[in-house]
Amino acid sequence: DTEVTQTPKHLVMGMTNKKSLKCEQHMGHRAMYWYKQKAKKPPELMFVYSYEKLSINESVPSRFSPECPNSSLLNLHLHALQPEDSALYLCASSLTWALGEQYFGPGTRLTVT
Amino acid sequence: GIQVEQSPPDLILQEGANSTLRCNFSDSVNNLQWFHQNPWGQLINLFYIPSGTKQNGRLSATTVATERYSLLYISSSQTTDSGVYFCAAITQGGSEKLVFGKGTKLTVNP
Repeated sequence: DTEVTQTPKHLVMGMTNKKSLKCEQHMGHRAMYWYKQKAKKPPELMFVYSYEKLSINESVPSRFSPECPNSSLLNLHLHALQPEDSALYLCASSLTWALGEQYFGPGTRLTVT
Repeated sequence: GIQVEQSPPDLILQEGANSTLRCNFSDSVNNLQWFHQNPWGQLINLFYIPSGTKQNGRLSATTVATERYSLLYISSSQTTDSGVYFCAAITQGGSEKLVFGKGTKLTVNP
């Protein structure tokens, strides 16, 4: 099974809301990633977790707060977002960080109003 | 960091035609992947191919690591092949981030 699941599929939130995106994999992968993709652009890396520890933060604003509660789960907590944060948020995992094939979830399409 | 360049940026085919997509990268790689992004945004893994040749049905890929390029071949294209094809790579001894090219948008007309 090479499945990464993400919930919700779609999310509309106001600029004062707090919401969370969830990602789950059961492939025994020890690296998990958050990517952001704007329309007609390639995905861009936001965060890397390796063995449940934050290894890379690509200078992402603090209104995005990642969390890795265990080796199978990855969350992205959202607070006080701006309309320009509207995008497709993709989660991925791989056996280890920077080695091995990355598998992507179906994404959460976020709209900030 | 690594530069990943894809060509062509856009490609329009008639159903049944064959095509070749190219990916050039600027450094030696540990990881090179080809993805197909469908209209709903799902990134589908096509190939994990840091070197050599692989085939999967109508699709095949070849990476010539010494010359820093990879090719994706699509034969007998179908309308369901439409979407954006991304090449992405991680360099050896580099930033350990998967860097994507800008993609090739493929449209297959019936």
